[in-house]
Amino acid sequence: LAKTTQPISMDSYEGQEVNITCSHNNIATNDYITWYQQFPSQGPRFIIQGYKTKVTNEVASLFIPADRKSSTLSLPRVSLSDTAVYYCLVPVYNQGGKLIFGQGTELSVKP
Amino acid sequence: DSGVTQTPKHLITATGQRVTLRCSPRSGDLSVYWYQQSLDQGLQFLIQYYNGEERAKGNILERFSAQQFPDLHSELNLSSLELGDSALYFCASSVSSGGSTDTQYFGPGTRLTVL
Repeated sequence: LAKTTQPISMDSYEGQEVNITCSHNNIATNDYITWYQQFPSQGPRFIIQGYKTKVTNEVASLFIPADRKSSTLSLPRVSLSDTAVYYCLVPVYNQGGKLIFGQGTELSVKP
Repeated sequence: DSGVTQTPKHLITATGQRVTLRCSPRSGDLSVYWYQQSLDQGLQFLIQYYNGEERAKGNILERFSAQQFPDLHSELNLSSLELGDSALYFCASSVSSGGSTDTQYFGPGTRLTVL
């Protein structure tokens, strides 16, 4: 059973870099780590996915250490519009290998 | 725009009634997933269909059922509705049958209100 643990909430200010860390101690050897973003009353949106080391796209960076037991989503210079819930997901094999959404991290960006 | 469409956007009905929610996946996607999100709750996985067949079941009540049609669109049927069924219902689609690299793309959701 691969389960993720991440902070329930975080606060930040506009212009700051935000790092959200997720632990997934039991991640399987071949599994990728995926992060989604959800705004209120909208469906989650894929942000980034990675397997090891570092992945970067136009929205965020994902850092994964060598042991892959955790990962850190990095949002550079956040703005008010980055206020959302961020989910870290790995497959859960007692649910057929599906990506099961947990509670996520509620990020609040203040002016 | 994810490419996943859901209708209707809003639905208001009474307890005991039955409703049908509809989802059209992204072009080329074979899997459809249904989720329920109640107020201030996380996303609860209900059920997944892959190429017309049920693939995985989550916390779906017996009063709820779903199907995926040959054109790959899906419908979620909710019957004997209760006040607690009021929630946002999301549909997602993906290319294959699941796995850690099978990205899910979510629709805008259907907001169901049971009075």
